[in-house]
Amino acid sequence: DIQMTQSPSSLSASVGDRVTITCRASQGITNSLAWYQQKPGKVPKLLIFAGSTLQSGVPSRFSGSGSGTDFTLTISSLQPEDVATYYCQKYNSAPPTFGQGTKVEMK
Amino acid sequence: QEQLVESGGGVVQPGRSLRLSCAASGFTFSDYGMHWARQAPGKGLEWVAVIWYDGRTKYYADSVKGRFTISRDNAKNTLYLYVNSVRAEDTAVYFCARSAPSVVVGATLLLDGWGQGTLVTVSS
Repeated sequence: DIQMTQSPSSLSASVGDRVTITCRASQGITNSLAWYQQKPGKVPKLLIFAGSTLQSGVPSRFSGSGSGTDFTLTISSLQPEDVATYYCQKYNSAPPTFGQGTKVEMK
Repeated sequence: QEQLVESGGGVVQPGRSLRLSCAASGFTFSDYGMHWARQAPGKGLEWVAVIWYDGRTKYYADSVKGRFTISRDNAKNTLYLYVNSVRAEDTAVYFCARSAPSVVVGATLLLDGWGQGTLVTVSS
């Protein structure tokens, strides 16, 4: 099975900072990569699919890029409400494996 | 308003079985694939199983294959997860989730709407 590896596992940033999270697949998955946001104590929410397509209602400060094996989630200007754990997930085929998560905290 | 409500969690002894249920409302249940995912206390998300809209296709995570069974009753708008021979490592919040709409390429394997989850604690 394809493994998904995220980095870093956690980060601390200030309001307004640009934040970048990377996700690497152990094999190519074309652009079948999604990002989920899980705020503390809440259920996960689908943010981005197809590598770069924002789900309806997601703020434009979020963006995704990449194809093949290397993907990036960028928050262009971190806001307090973005404190959360972010997970990548590959969905080109079953099993739709999640990465281990990246915890984003406010400095 | 689309809603997914899980039930059936609780404390269960190692080796025993339980059935989790997920009642769906607010959308046409029979049009969507459905998933179970779980999250152990303080840990990350783990995908568990998926069932296609018509119930004919199912996939499982290796960690649960042979012990868990996913099923659905489209007449009752309900998703199930039969959990057998539970182990300590099955302790987690179990979420049901709906797939993305079929207009999205690869929709069935995306988890587009999540329930609040039900906690399963395996303990003697």
